[in-house]
Amino acid sequence: QVQLQESGPGLVKPSQTLSLSCTVSGGSVSSGGYYWTWIRQRPGQGLEWIGHIYFTGSTSYNPSLKSRVTISVDTSKNQFSLTLSSVTAADTAVYFCASGIPRWFDPWGQGTLVTVSS
Amino acid sequence: DIRVTQSPSSVSASVGDNVTISCRASQGLSSWSAWYQQKPGKPPKLLIYAASSLQTGVPSRFSGSGSGTTYTLTISSLQPEDFATYYCQQANSFPLTFGGGTRVEMK
Repeated sequence: QVQLQESGPGLVKPSQTLSLSCTVSGGSVSSGGYYWTWIRQRPGQGLEWIGHIYFTGSTSYNPSLKSRVTISVDTSKNQFSLTLSSVTAADTAVYFCASGIPRWFDPWGQGTLVTVSS
Repeated sequence: DIRVTQSPSSVSASVGDNVTISCRASQGLSSWSAWYQQKPGKPPKLLIYAASSLQTGVPSRFSGSGSGTTYTLTISSLQPEDFATYYCQQANSFPLTFGGGTRVEMK
């Protein structure tokens, strides 16, 4: 049974780059069938799909974030990662990693709060 | 982007009530829709996918229906653990988008 766990800094300064990792256990990021996905939830708000990566390396991003987002896979660590550049306070959110099967999400990581503040 | 509108935004109900939540998309979804339950401080949990398929392990009191642009989540005989926020999601086209959520509160 696949389980996911996010990790990374909880505080990022404005204009800097947010970097998070998601460790996959009980499965392999190299196996087909899963779209490794990042989703965020701003405080008190709904859910926003950020993007995903497939085991082939193919990616898809939300156009609203595309210019600032990169999702990558590290097969040696069985992880996938999110980088979001030039962050502002509007990027403050709980960031979830999830596996897309293929376009609905199960399971999800527990989520990690990232605050953008100086 | 496909806009997803949920209604109502909140509903007050009692244990044993039947609760219905609606989701309307700005374009047809061809049944590419899903429903999630989220409790405070927890990640969303997949309940229904492909409009009406029950995810493994989800109680049968949850059911989904719909087609085209309109989809419905029904909770039959609400249980204490069902008080939560529910989200619908469209999976028909990218970017994937979610509704604004429906909070099911205790009456």
